[in-house]
Amino acid sequence: DGGITQSPKYLFRKEGQNVTLSCEQNLNHDAMYWYRQDPGQGLRLIYYSQIVNDFQKGDIAEGYSVSREKKESFPLTVTSAQKNPTAFYLCASSITSGEASNQPQHFGDGTRLSIL
Amino acid sequence: GIQVEQSPPDLILQEGANSTLRCNFSDSVNNLQWFHQNPWGQLINLFYIPSGTKQNGRLSATTVATERYSLLYISSSQTTDSGVYFCAVTTGTASKLTFGTGTRLQVTL
Repeated sequence: DGGITQSPKYLFRKEGQNVTLSCEQNLNHDAMYWYRQDPGQGLRLIYYSQIVNDFQKGDIAEGYSVSREKKESFPLTVTSAQKNPTAFYLCASSITSGEASNQPQHFGDGTRLSIL
Repeated sequence: GIQVEQSPPDLILQEGANSTLRCNFSDSVNNLQWFHQNPWGQLINLFYIPSGTKQNGRLSATTVATERYSLLYISSSQTTDSGVYFCAVTTGTASKLTFGTGTRLQVTL
């Protein structure tokens, strides 16, 4: 099946530890995105990438890092500098064209991160 | 940046009732999507509708881009419709989605 796979579904982080969330897509989409959702709130953009080996900060990039070495993969690292990492993290992807912002985004099932 | 407001924030319906959810946005948009987030957190695409009207079963949506609003209609609601409904938009050359705060819908028997 074509889609976006996020793993793990649940993740626990100790104080001072970096953790990496996986996002893989087999939709052959060019663009990928990471969003954060806090309880009772909408989603906010952390990072996005429109092509391999390139990515841009979103609205809340501090304390996070990403890489885009392959078209199908966009892992997110939550570093120890992120002081409030407990949240629901969603990955998305979309086709890009000359008018990139016109294409719908499709989402994975998310990863719930908690602090131990 | 663009502001996206949804109303009502909360809605309780009896099964079988109809409802209309509204999304207002403060600037012109290139893309508008409606999503349903189920109780397990899955975000499900309902409509990609930067303008015009679309229908999918009991759901339909209308976006009037010139007046900067979109409506989501749910007819004959079912308990499985419960969850949070988000609209999200992109503007200009940016491909990031800006989400509204959502409408939390509860459908009761």
